[in-house]
Amino acid sequence: GESVGLHLPTLSVQEGDNSIINCAYSNSASDYFIWYKQESGKGPQFIIDIRSNMDKRQGQRVTVLLNKTVKHLSLQIAATQPGDSAVYFCAQKGIRNTGFQKLVFGTGTRLLVSP
Amino acid sequence: DSGVTQTPKHLITATGQRVTLRCSPRSGDLSVYWYQQSLDQGLQFLIQYYNGEERAKGNILERFSAQQFPDLHSELNLSSLELGDSALYFCASSPTAGGNNEQFFGPGTRLTVL
Repeated sequence: GESVGLHLPTLSVQEGDNSIINCAYSNSASDYFIWYKQESGKGPQFIIDIRSNMDKRQGQRVTVLLNKTVKHLSLQIAATQPGDSAVYFCAQKGIRNTGFQKLVFGTGTRLLVSP
Repeated sequence: DSGVTQTPKHLITATGQRVTLRCSPRSGDLSVYWYQQSLDQGLQFLIQYYNGEERAKGNILERFSAQQFPDLHSELNLSSLELGDSALYFCASSPTAGGNNEQFFGPGTRLTVL
């Protein structure tokens, strides 16, 4: 399938550290990418998005980097806090310039923040 | 709180049964999407409705169907349930059918098929 969820890679960090979560995407024609955060027992929550005409976008404590050459997306979280502990998913919009909003989700990375 | 509501929160049923999951989108959103999240398949897109019309189909089984009503709420019907249908089912909504719009997810319905 286009997304898998077998074994979640886990990133363990200490509170206050910077975290970097990586994602490799498959569809080079995508023009829109999103990072979602999913806490236990909840639905995915939007964090930040980026369009393919950009290579970097910053939000509050988060930065998304897009490298179209190698089809790689990363999410950087500054000064990670225990409340950031969750599973993080990258998603790409399926097809460029159509009304088709199918989101294809990556595997997910579990972020564990220790106090 | 995303503004998307889903009921019920939990559902336990037996194989062969039929269930209906309900979703109310955010106020003003015309598009509704259904996703399935299981342990071995991650988040999978099932189907999209826009203003009452089916807009896109993903990995949705023939035993599953959905509809969007004039008040824009949506229902996902799952029939002839199998053990493997046990999963979290999420609904998401967005203002339009296309463009680069964020999808807002509801809290999900956890379906357990025994």
